[in-house]
Formats: sequence, structure tokens, C-alpha cells
Amino acid sequence: KAGVTQTPRYLIKTRGQQVTLSCSPISGHRSVSWYQQTPGQGLQFLFEYFSETQRNKGNFPGRFSGRQFSNSRSEMNVSTLELGDSALYLCASGGGAGNTIYFGEGSWLTVV
Amino acid sequence: GQQLNQSPQSMFIQEGEDVSMNCTSSSIFNTWLWYKQDPGEGPVLLIALYKAGELTSNGRLTAQFGITRKDSFLNISASIPSDVGIYFCAGQPYLSGNTPLVFGKGTRLSVIA
Repeated sequence: KAGVTQTPRYLIKTRGQQVTLSCSPISGHRSVSWYQQTPGQGLQFLFEYFSETQRNKGNFPGRFSGRQFSNSRSEMNVSTLELGDSALYLCASGGGAGNTIYFGEGSWLTVV
Repeated sequence: GQQLNQSPQSMFIQEGEDVSMNCTSSSIFNTWLWYKQDPGEGPVLLIALYKAGELTSNGRLTAQFGITRKDSFLNISASIPSDVGIYFCAGQPYLSGNTPLVFGKGTRLSVIA
């Protein structure tokens, strides 16, 4: 079974630009969660989508948004990028027992 | 919101030593998960625990779901250099429905050869 696939792996953007990250979950999984990870901040929950609906939302500004398609693939978008948005963005796929989730390798975003 | 206390924050050990780390909560959890994250990579699931008292092994790793349902520990036996990384615990609060998992802040493990 293929794992969680995230693209792009690395990207550099300029302040004020917007970025879209993509995630393909494990086949058969209907839940996709997004996390932001910065040094010293641990894993910060952004949002979760299940069957194309946002099921949970973390405490991030409206510049962070996401969506899920009918094939369970998900995208997240960050508009008006700030330097502090530089981070590893992780996507996690869920669908097994006990809300267990499986992470992708992440997308490294650097804002300059 | 819910918080998990994960300890220690970091540890330096000699190759071959055993390692123990734990996670505690003030409330009951019905799932405990342990992940390892290598530098620059996403966390990888090591062990999943779904029942109080459950003890599960994965090679040199052993994890247990505490009988109070408020804690879990992870042991690594005979550590090797590739054990280096950050270990995260995560849990699903009891009767929380589909709320997101709660994560600990991680234990950074360094192994000295």
C-alpha cells in the first residue's frame, strides 16, 4: 500500500505570495489532517478534512485554508505569506483503528 | 485544551544502553500512539496502543498503555546510532469523538557511539 504523498517536497516563496501544498492519502483513507511544525513549537494542528468536509480546525488565521476532493486528495493554501510561515507542513492520513494517523514526508516551505 | 506531558525533553545515551520515555495526561485517553521523526522527515508510526494495560513490542521497542489510561511509556533496548531522532507520543482523549489527536512536545534522543 502506498504511503502518504506530499508535493512539493521543498519550496521557497517571497513574503506576500501565496502557496498551495498537495497531499494524497493512503488508498481507502478518507481523513486528511494538516500540521505545521517549526523548531521548538512541536506539531501544531491546522485542520482536518473528512469526506470533503472540514471536520476540525486548529487555531490558525484565515490565511490558512484547505480543501479535500472527492478522491480524498487534499490541498492546503496559505495566502499573503509571512516570514513566520516558514515551516515543515505535514499531512497525515487517517482511516484505521483508534484515529491512528500516518504522516507524509512533509513539505518544507521557506519564506524569504 | 488537552495537553500531554512528555518526558524527558532530551536525552543523551551511550550506544547499547536502554532508553525509557513517557507521556502523561490529566485525563483519560483511549488511544496512545508513538512516532519517531528523523531530521527533515515526517513522523513515522512506531507503535499503536488501543487498550488499557496493552503492552506491544516492535523489534527493540516496547510500549505500554497505562492501566489508569492516563499515561504511556516507550522503551528502547540496546540503543544504536540510528535510534537518534525525536520521539512523539500522541493520544485520543476518551469520548472525544473525532477530535484531533493530542501530541506531546517530543523527546529528542541522541546516541553517542
